Amino acid sequence: GAGVSQSPSNKVTEKGKDVELRCDPISGHTALYWYRQSLGQGLEFLIYFQGNSAPDKSGLPSDRFSAERTGGSVSTLTIQRTQQEDSAVYLCASSPVSLSNSPLHFGNGTRLTVT
Amino acid sequence: EDQVTQSPEALRLQEGESSSLNCSYTVSGLRGLFWYRQDPGKGPEFLFTLYSAGEEKEKERLKATLTKKESFLHITAPKPEDSATYLCAVQAARTGGFKTIFGAGTRLFVKA
Repeated sequence: GAGVSQSPSNKVTEKGKDVELRCDPISGHTALYWYRQSLGQGLEFLIYFQGNSAPDKSGLPSDRFSAERTGGSVSTLTIQRTQQEDSAVYLCASSPVSLSNSPLHFGNGTRLTVT
Repeated sequence: EDQVTQSPEALRLQEGESSSLNCSYTVSGLRGLFWYRQDPGKGPEFLFTLYSAGEEKEKERLKATLTKKESFLHITAPKPEDSATYLCAVQAARTGGFKTIFGAGTRLFVKA
């Protein structure tokens, strides 16, 4: 079946511009996560959704970052006034149940480059 | 604070040379420990979940074990196609078990 889909796969933007990153989770998955991975680094937690609500947004680096999820499905991560330090791969993952201990199913990420 | 530390950062092996990757963790109430494999340009791919000390899981040349403080990923007679970054992650009871915290990973290179 279809996996987690992220778009665009690559995005180059100028410093100061806003960007939107999209995630289509696996159908029926109730939990959705956003992570950031800088070059050669591990995954940094950004935000977690259960349905359309975000019980944990503790990882968002600043108020320039926001995310929403609609219809319990598609999610959008928005970065306003991008900075060079925002350059990274943004990974989305979904999980099939609303219980803990479920492994995450990842997309292939959006590589963001801020020039 | 919940923490995951992986070692070594990088590991170079000859084909057939068995070895182990380490994942040390500090969490308040472990709900689950996960191992993922990540290939360049791809998202992490789930390998194993371990829930309690003493548990072991196996898949082909990989075997994961868990103690109260660390987990090991043993690779037996590796092949070049096992080359990848291996990530360890934990879910803690403090966060309701939903927030998954990742280590920085171990980059494995297997030479033919």
